[in-house]
Amino acid sequence: RKEVEQDPGPFNVPEGATVAFNCTYSNSASQSFFWYRQDCRKEPKLLMSVYSSGNEDGRFTAQLNRASQYISLLIRDSKLSDSATYLCVVTEYGNKLVFGAGTILRVKS
Amino acid sequence: EAQVTQNPRYLITVTGKKLTVTCSQNMNHEYMSWYRQDPGLGLRQIYYSMNVEVTDKGDVPEGYKVSRKEKRNFPLILESPSPNQTSLYFCASSFTGAGETQYFGPGTRLLVL
Repeated sequence: RKEVEQDPGPFNVPEGATVAFNCTYSNSASQSFFWYRQDCRKEPKLLMSVYSSGNEDGRFTAQLNRASQYISLLIRDSKLSDSATYLCVVTEYGNKLVFGAGTILRVKS
Repeated sequence: EAQVTQNPRYLITVTGKKLTVTCSQNMNHEYMSWYRQDPGLGLRQIYYSMNVEVTDKGDVPEGYKVSRKEKRNFPLILESPSPNQTSLYFCASSFTGAGETQYFGPGTRLLVL
């Protein structure tokens, strides 16, 4: 079983749609959680951190459920520019980082 | 400009020929790490370093070496490259550890024949 699992997609959605991605992690001791965005094999960039209380940044909302060990990302009012691969990332003891394989989003006009 | 740089960006080499991929950051970050990215597997951590002279293995360290003699530099060394090390490599840094924003370099595409 992979340590961090994501639905690879692709998710094909029209502009303006709301789309949600989930991610599950296997290590209950994981401490920090993030969503990164990666465009076409370029370097990943932080989209947002994920907290148990949930957090929102404009059209993006992230949630963490420690009991069920899953993380979610909700994108509202999708734009063409949101097309990318979204990477779920968790940290583990010893300052290790574990990445999911990514979920591909394609927003179409 | 605050950045992480990697060199070379593209490299074609042959099996067994030692190579080094350099990584440098100008943000005075303590934490630096190397990843490889392969289709369907995502990014996998090779090595990381908490500070000068402190390095630790990630999930896939076999076949790689690193050193951290200076805070700003974290080179990745392949002593005897093999075709299964053909991949896209990223270096990243952050202020103090894995629990913070990671700043990635532009990536190095390596092909081992």
